[in-house]
Amino acid sequence: DAGVTQSPTHLIKTRGQHVTLRCSPISGHKSVSWYQQVLGQGPQFIFQYYEKEERGRGNFPDRFSARQFPNYSSELNVNALLLGDSALYLCASSFDLETQYFGPGTRLLVL
Amino acid sequence: TQLLEQSPQFLSIQEGENLTVYCNSSSVFSSLQWYRQEPGEGPVLLVTVVTGGEVKKLKRLTFQFGDARKDSSLHITAAQPGDTGLYLCAAYHMEYGNKLVFGAGTILRVKS
Repeated sequence: DAGVTQSPTHLIKTRGQHVTLRCSPISGHKSVSWYQQVLGQGPQFIFQYYEKEERGRGNFPDRFSARQFPNYSSELNVNALLLGDSALYLCASSFDLETQYFGPGTRLLVL
Repeated sequence: TQLLEQSPQFLSIQEGENLTVYCNSSSVFSSLQWYRQEPGEGPVLLVTVVTGGEVKKLKRLTFQFGDARKDSSLHITAAQPGDTGLYLCAAYHMEYGNKLVFGAGTILRVKS
């Protein structure tokens, strides 16, 4: 079975631009969570979606938004990019809302 | 201040050596998870510990949950180069909206 997939794998943007990251969960998983991992730190929770509804939001500005589609895939959008948004963005899917299966991440570099 | 403090931050050892990494907090958790993350990959769940004093073994890896459920340790016996990676502890906590909170991790490098 395929694991969690994310696209793109790498991305370079400039300050002020907008970015959309995509995630496809493991088949049968209805929950998707997004995390930001900056170099030297553990992942930080951004959003969790379950059955297309937002279930939780971390301490991130309103420039960050997300949504989940009827097929349970998800998009993370970041507006007005800042240099500090450079990070590895991880998507995780879950069947039971506790055990998280992570994708390989999208590495975003903001110049 | 991080909810979960991991130590050491970095560990470089020779193949065959034993090591222990720690995850400490002042908070009590109902459960705690350990992940390993390799370069270019997402974290992979190794184990979940639930009961205070619990010890779980996964081949050469031994995980222990503190009696008071505030801390945990990971011991690796006879480390191998394939053990190289970032070891993260994580837990769900009500103060954080019951969402998964990670420590900063311990980077382990095992040299052959």
